[in-house]
Amino acid sequence: GESVGLHLPTLSVQEGDNSIINCAYSNSASDYFIWYKQESGKGPQFIIDIRSNMDKRQGQRVTVLLNKTVKHLSLQIAATQPGDSAVYFCAENPRKTGGTSYGKLTFGQGTILTVHP
Amino acid sequence: SAVISQKPSRDICQRGTSLTIQCQVDSQVTMMFWYRQQPGQSLTLIATANQGSEATYESGFVIDKFPISRPNLTFSTLTVSNMSPEDSSIYLCSVNEGSANEKLFFGSGTQLSVL
Repeated sequence: GESVGLHLPTLSVQEGDNSIINCAYSNSASDYFIWYKQESGKGPQFIIDIRSNMDKRQGQRVTVLLNKTVKHLSLQIAATQPGDSAVYFCAENPRKTGGTSYGKLTFGQGTILTVHP
Repeated sequence: SAVISQKPSRDICQRGTSLTIQCQVDSQVTMMFWYRQQPGQSLTLIATANQGSEATYESGFVIDKFPISRPNLTFSTLTVSNMSPEDSSIYLCSVNEGSANEKLFFGSGTQLSVL
């Protein structure tokens, strides 16, 4: 079946380093992607999104890259801080026949990011 | 973004009982979504709750097990019925926003443990 998966389940970095979290998706018809951050005991927090007509989008300290050729998504966090430690999920909106059903996202496995001071 | 409040934040329940989770949004929204996150797992959509109509359930989820109410545009409930330990999960309410309702925002979740 169609799925969104992650290459690395865990990632450990030093404070100040840049972090890259990767995600592979299998549905070539997906037209919208989101990265979420989930801290312990909390719900997923929206970080950044990107549409399929773009290949890069920047936010504050974060950049999302989309490579539709290889169906790959990445989240780059610049100058990673201890407060960035969390589980990061990518999610895709698989386009349904006859239109897009926003809100019905398919989530990836999740990557645990640990930032060491 | 909308502020989404869930109650209870956590509960420990006995098998065979039922728990109703409440979700309150500070603005009117057309659709509300209920997700489940099993321990150490990712999120899976349970159902979509529309005001004025029956909820739409995803494959593997049925109304008898997860009845949903949506009495108005700011509130929804999810009931986990006849619970078993396998129902131990985080249950999350979410709403969509954005110019095309593409962004999905989540409440803080309800941590459910079934003994």
